[in-house]
Amino acid sequence: DGGITQSPKYLFRKEGQNVTLSCEQNLNHDAMYWYRQDPGQGLRLIYYSQIVNDFQKGDIAEGYSVSREKKESFPLTVTSAQKNPTAFYLCASSNRGSADGYTFGSGTRLTVV
Amino acid sequence: AQSVTQLDSQVPVFEEAPVELRCNYSSSVSVYLFWYVQYPNQGLQLLLKYLSGSTLVESINGFEAEFNKSQTSFHLRKPSVHISDTAEYFCAVSASNQGGKLIFGQGTELSVKP
Repeated sequence: DGGITQSPKYLFRKEGQNVTLSCEQNLNHDAMYWYRQDPGQGLRLIYYSQIVNDFQKGDIAEGYSVSREKKESFPLTVTSAQKNPTAFYLCASSNRGSADGYTFGSGTRLTVV
Repeated sequence: AQSVTQLDSQVPVFEEAPVELRCNYSSSVSVYLFWYVQYPNQGLQLLLKYLSGSTLVESINGFEAEFNKSQTSFHLRKPSVHISDTAEYFCAVSASNQGGKLIFGQGTELSVKP
């Protein structure tokens, strides 16, 4: 079955460390997105990519970095510059120009200890 | 640019009661509209969508939403809710000329009590 996989489900990090969240899709979707979710704040867009080797900043890109070397993969690195990294992170994908909406992964909960 | 406003951040309701989750949008071009549901500690799942045609769209689990162009609304309704409907619901809009990129509302937390 096609889908989008985020790993790990739970992640703990010490302050000052970088950490990379994985997002892989086998839906042959062109576009991929990273969102951050905090209680009561909805979904906030971090980065998105509409094509391989290209990506754009979203609303809260500071302290994060991404790469899009393969169509299937869009990893997110949470750097030590991110002041409040503890959150639930969601990855999504879609077909450009499609009216199908997004397919979401099951999320990664990052906790800084 | 498009925007989405979900008018209620929390909606408590008793089991078997009807519920309406309100969503208004703004856009200068034609849009596609979506409702997603998120259960605790999970990703979002597509509940239903309006692309064109009939303004009333239905999901397989009894929810329905009506596209009202004059009021720029896409409210989600269910005539009788179950405990299992407890979740967060997100309304989203995509302009038909924006390559499929979605703008999400802030979410409405539906809490169904016995």
